[in-house]
Amino acid sequence: QITLKESGPTLLKPTQTLTLTCTFSGFSLSSSGLGVGWIRQSPGKALEWLALIYWNDEKRYSPSLKNRLTIMKDTSKNQVVLIMTNMDPVDTATYYCAHDCTSPSCNEMGLDYWGQGILVTVSS
Amino acid sequence: QSVMTQPPSASGTPGQRVTISCSGSNSNVGSNSVFWHQQLPGTAPKLLIYKTNQRPSGVPDRFSGSKSGTSASLTITGLRSEDEADYYCTVWDDSLSAVVFGGGTKLTVL
Repeated sequence: QITLKESGPTLLKPTQTLTLTCTFSGFSLSSSGLGVGWIRQSPGKALEWLALIYWNDEKRYSPSLKNRLTIMKDTSKNQVVLIMTNMDPVDTATYYCAHDCTSPSCNEMGLDYWGQGILVTVSS
Repeated sequence: QSVMTQPPSASGTPGQRVTISCSGSNSNVGSNSVFWHQQLPGTAPKLLIYKTNQRPSGVPDRFSGSKSGTSASLTITGLRSEDEADYYCTVWDDSLSAVVFGGGTKLTVL
């Protein structure tokens, strides 16, 4: 059974750096074709994709946010960390991490398992 | 503003058939698999359709996906009250080298 859970600060001040951790179980990020992504959703708004890291340490970032984002993985701890710098009130959102399957071995199902999300508020 | 366009809202009565569209371009919908996610109020998104027209285990066959050129569609038949949710199309964009979500469609069951 695949599960993911986001953790980190829920309240930040403008200009601070956000560090979120996704702790997962039921799969290993050393398995070919797997990845973990981060997605956010501002209140009342659409989903916005942020970043992805794959089993081979390949990384992809949202073009509009790539200068502020860093994604990394700790395979031994089953964790993926997302760092976002220079936080602003417009970054207030629920942040989700999700399991990503790009391998035929898991039917290339994409973002198929999601965490419950963590609401991060940026306010002075 | 998303590179993939969805109608902001859709509606239907119980038992009806509803189709939600997702319009993209050659760099995304036109060349890659489309995914659909359902987000019930107050919950995390759930995968509904993968590889354009495949249903994960447990998703009723009332839900189906298709694609023609640079447009994709999600069709729900036999609409039920519990289908009231937001629906997002998702696809990889080759030009952006990024995952893109559509703007979402809020489905109301009247």
